[in-house]
Amino acid sequence: DIQMTQSPSSLSASVGDRVTITCRASLGVRNYLAWYQQRPGKVPKLLIYAASTLHSGVPSRFSGSSSGTDFTLTISSLQPEDVATYYCQKYDDAPLTFGGGTKVEIK
Amino acid sequence: QVQLVQSGAEVKKPGASVKVSCKASGYTFTSYGISWVRQAPGQGLEWMGWISAYNGNTNYAQKLQGRVTMTTDTSTSTAYMELRSLRSDDTAVYYCAKAGSVSWYDYWGQGTLVTVSS
Repeated sequence: DIQMTQSPSSLSASVGDRVTITCRASLGVRNYLAWYQQRPGKVPKLLIYAASTLHSGVPSRFSGSSSGTDFTLTISSLQPEDVATYYCQKYDDAPLTFGGGTKVEIK
Repeated sequence: QVQLVQSGAEVKKPGASVKVSCKASGYTFTSYGISWVRQAPGQGLEWMGWISAYNGNTNYAQKLQGRVTMTTDTSTSTAYMELRSLRSDDTAVYYCAKAGSVSWYDYWGQGTLVTVSS
């Protein structure tokens, strides 16, 4: 099975900072990669699909990109409401594995 | 609007079974599938499997094969996930999500806490 490895596992940044989260697939998943945000105690929410397509209603400060088997989620200017854990997920084929998550906090 | 409404919290003893429901509305149920994802306390998201609401085809996570069964009732637009031979490490919040066979999850249920404890 393809493994999805996220880094870092946690980070702390100041409001307004640019934040980058990486997800690496152990084998190619084409661009069948989604990002989710899960605020504390809440249901996961879709942010990005197809590696770089912003889901409807998601603020434009979120963006996704890819390079081979490496995928990146960027928050251009961190806001207090972005405190959450972020997960990548491959959906090219079963199993639709999630990354281990990246917890984002405000410094 | 699309909604997935799950059944309420459950407390089960080790070795028992649990069946969680997920009632869909706001879209054509048989045009998509339902995936199930669980999250143990303080842990990440774990994909459990997927069922087509069109023809009942299923795809389960290998680690759950033999213990999990996913079904749908198209007459009520409801999906079910049954997990048998429960263990303490099955304690988790269980989510359903609307999903194509190869797709992201744009709508999720509210989650159902299943606690396994003697």
